[in-house]
Amino acid sequence: DVKVTQSSRYLVKRTGEKVFLECVQDMDHENMFWYRQDPGLGLRLIYFSYDVKMKEKGDIPEGYSVSREKKERFSLILESASTNQTSMYLCASSGQGSYNEQFFGPGTRLTVL
Amino acid sequence: GENVEQHPSTLSVQEGDSAVIKCTYSDSASNYFPWYKQELGKRPQLIIDIRSNVGEKKDQRIAVTLNKTAKHFSLHITETQPEDSAVYFCAATDSWGKFQFGAGTQVVVTP
Repeated sequence: DVKVTQSSRYLVKRTGEKVFLECVQDMDHENMFWYRQDPGLGLRLIYFSYDVKMKEKGDIPEGYSVSREKKERFSLILESASTNQTSMYLCASSGQGSYNEQFFGPGTRLTVL
Repeated sequence: GENVEQHPSTLSVQEGDSAVIKCTYSDSASNYFPWYKQELGKRPQLIIDIRSNVGEKKDQRIAVTLNKTAKHFSLHITETQPEDSAVYFCAATDSWGKFQFGAGTQVVVTP
């Protein structure tokens, strides 16, 4: 059974704080993804990674960075949190290639005050 | 890049009726089209998918059709039940496995 876990279900931070969201998968997947989910906007890709130490920008990378030091772990970093980054953040992983299901983590509800 | 549009944004159906959700995509190189279901408070989960070399696929009460020429694909749910109430997302993927999701459809099945 594929398992994707995220470090927190709920997180409350203050404007300007540095925020770390962590994601771990146990299926030896090459690909990992960070999305944010907002009502009416679906799932928007922030960053993705096809391999260790590799990262690519998604559709909305501004204000975010990522780190992938180990294959199983993909971290999303908000360098200086802002109120417009209040959202649900979902991590996902998949095997290599174009026909592979993405498996999602449970999500982190981040509120920036 | 890929752009996926999904309609309708909300869909209310009577239990036992059918539900249809439609998506269009822009990149003719897209070759894989998954559908995800997200129940309230839960993570999205794959319910059915279709590859570009197939026109239709069925799994019990759900089916997906793909028209590559028109660049659109649809999800069909027959004999809807209350447990079908959820948000449904379509997606189109590139050769690397990167998904572009639609905005989602909130399906409400009323008894």
